[in-house]
Amino acid sequence: DAEITQSPRHKITETGRQVTLACHQTWNHNNMFWYRQDLGHGLRLIHYSYGVHDTNKGEVSDGYSVSRSNTEDLPLTLESAASSQTSVYFCASEDRVTGELFFGEGSRLTVL
Amino acid sequence: AQRVTQPEKLLSVFKGAPVELKCNYSYSGSPELFWYVQYSRQRLQLLLRHISRESIKGFTADLNKGETSFHLKKPFAQEEDSAMYYCALNAGTYKYIFGTGTRLKVLA
Repeated sequence: DAEITQSPRHKITETGRQVTLACHQTWNHNNMFWYRQDLGHGLRLIHYSYGVHDTNKGEVSDGYSVSRSNTEDLPLTLESAASSQTSVYFCASEDRVTGELFFGEGSRLTVL
Repeated sequence: AQRVTQPEKLLSVFKGAPVELKCNYSYSGSPELFWYVQYSRQRLQLLLRHISRESIKGFTADLNKGETSFHLKKPFAQEEDSAMYYCALNAGTYKYIFGTGTRLKVLA
């Protein structure tokens, strides 16, 4: 069955370190998204991609970057982790026919 | 500006009572609206979308363009409905905007 997976599921890091969260989907969806989930803020869009070599900033993109070298993967990189980036991160891909988003299981990141 | 508002952070109801989770949106175009649900320890998943006009797990939601609302309703809540519910707007250009979510607790 097609799926979307994230890794690592849990990560503890220190301020200033670079962190990469992986996202891999096997639906061959062109559209992929990264969100962060925080209490009181719901889901906020970090970056999104419409296809290979396409990336776009969302509403909370500062301090984050993504790359899209193939259809399946959209890794999210925190160049220099900050405590404000402690959050749960969700990757999603979109079925453009139905408009449905398929989410990964989430990656819980703690920045100390 | 495009916005989705869920005014209630927490909604507690007793089992068997009716449930209404409120969602209001702001969007100048023709909206595509969705409800997503996140059960404890599970990933977010689609509950229903307005264009399909379907009932899933007893839940329904009607798009009211006049009131710019897409409230989620269920006549008789069940304990297994306890979860986090997010209203979402597909604001075109492949961007989704989510509300802040409402945690529903169904009490025995």
